[in-house]
Amino acid sequence: AQSVTQLDSQVPVFEEAPVELRCNYSSSVSVYLFWYVQYPNQGLQLLLKYLSGSTLVESINGFEAEFNKSQTSFHLRKPSVHISDTAEYFCAVTNTGFQKLVFGTGTRLLVSP
Amino acid sequence: EAGVAQSPRYKIIEKRQSVAFWCNPISGHATLYWYQQILGQGPKLLIQFQNNGVVDDSQLPKDRFSAERLKGVDSTLKIQPAKLEDSAVYLCASSLEAMNTEAFFGQGTRLTVV
Repeated sequence: AQSVTQLDSQVPVFEEAPVELRCNYSSSVSVYLFWYVQYPNQGLQLLLKYLSGSTLVESINGFEAEFNKSQTSFHLRKPSVHISDTAEYFCAVTNTGFQKLVFGTGTRLLVSP
Repeated sequence: EAGVAQSPRYKIIEKRQSVAFWCNPISGHATLYWYQQILGQGPKLLIQFQNNGVVDDSQLPKDRFSAERLKGVDSTLKIQPAKLEDSAVYLCASSLEAMNTEAFFGQGTRLTVV
């Protein structure tokens, strides 16, 4: 079975500062990894995903995540955050057999002016 | 393209009462999921349908929860009787196939059991 750990429940940052949201996973088999974002009073939206190929994946709004198999990590980064990035971010994992999608507990990103 | 529709958005019931949630997935999506998201936790998969068949319901508390997806389209999730610990947001998601394609989530139904 797979599991996901998001150690930071909340990350406060100032606008235009860089940010990293940490995600570590545990699995005995190959995995696919996802980051979902949940804005206030909205549903979950897929931010980016790693299925295969380049270990560095990017989203359209400037976020990127790097799959690191040796460290079993999939940290999310953005070089300069905006107020509108304030949201809850969930890391998720599934095995390559596309069975159950397991979510972490989430990290609340709070961007202040 | 219309998204995943869920209703109601909010529901408050007393413990031991029954409640039902409805989900209409994106047209053509074969896979439908129900997740439970308790405050401060990540979403937990309750049940996964492929068309109208159940793929995974290992974490569904079957003594009180039930779900169906008649005709492989809409789905309902029922809780009978509800307990205080069932207070959560219930999320419905759908995807074309399984998780190799993106899962689209509805806005969820926030259930409060008092």
